[in-house]
Amino acid sequence: GDSVTQMEGPVTLSEEAFLTINCTYTATGYPSLFWYVQYPGEGLQLLLKATKADDKGSNKGFEATYRKETTSFHLEKGSVQVSDSAVYFCALLRSNDYKLSFGAGTTVTVRA
Amino acid sequence: GAVVSQHPSWVICKSGTSVKIECRSLDFQATTMFWYRQFPKQSLMLMATSNEGSKATYEQGVEKDKFLINHASLTLSTLTVTSAHPEDSSFYICSAFPGRTYEQYFGPGTRLTVT
Repeated sequence: GDSVTQMEGPVTLSEEAFLTINCTYTATGYPSLFWYVQYPGEGLQLLLKATKADDKGSNKGFEATYRKETTSFHLEKGSVQVSDSAVYFCALLRSNDYKLSFGAGTTVTVRA
Repeated sequence: GAVVSQHPSWVICKSGTSVKIECRSLDFQATTMFWYRQFPKQSLMLMATSNEGSKATYEQGVEKDKFLINHASLTLSTLTVTSAHPEDSSFYICSAFPGRTYEQYFGPGTRLTVT
């Protein structure tokens, strides 16, 4: 079935460092891909999305490109801040039933 | 826009009692809502899909008699944890799917602790 494999953490970085979180997927058809962020004690917030191959989603300095040839949707940010400390989830939306499949989540801690 | 609320945000109950969690889409109608469960430091596990006016469909391994779902209107779905036990303690998150786009909108979650 459709699934997402996400780089395991935790990831600890210094402020202004470059962040990348790897995400690859397995799917039949052409799913939409998402990155969600969860701050401590809160629910999920959509960070960015891409609905077709070669789409680039971007928000708050984060970017991810839907790569069909490598079945990947890696998340990147060029200069992280302490406020970026959170858990990041990669997810795909199954095109047949609109259910989301989530990766395991990556905990990111940014130190001042 | 696209705000989803959950109530309560946290609840403590005694073992053997039942707890109801509400999920509301505040500014849109959602024909479909999803219920997830999240254990500490783990990912979200889809429990069930709730469709307005029809029975919920449960994922494999989820006890339908324990987790009762009612989607009474296009803006409200409820999850009732019946005869709760400590192992039901978890973070429960709902999402609402308006169907117009590919996006689901998530509620802030409800933390359930069963003592």
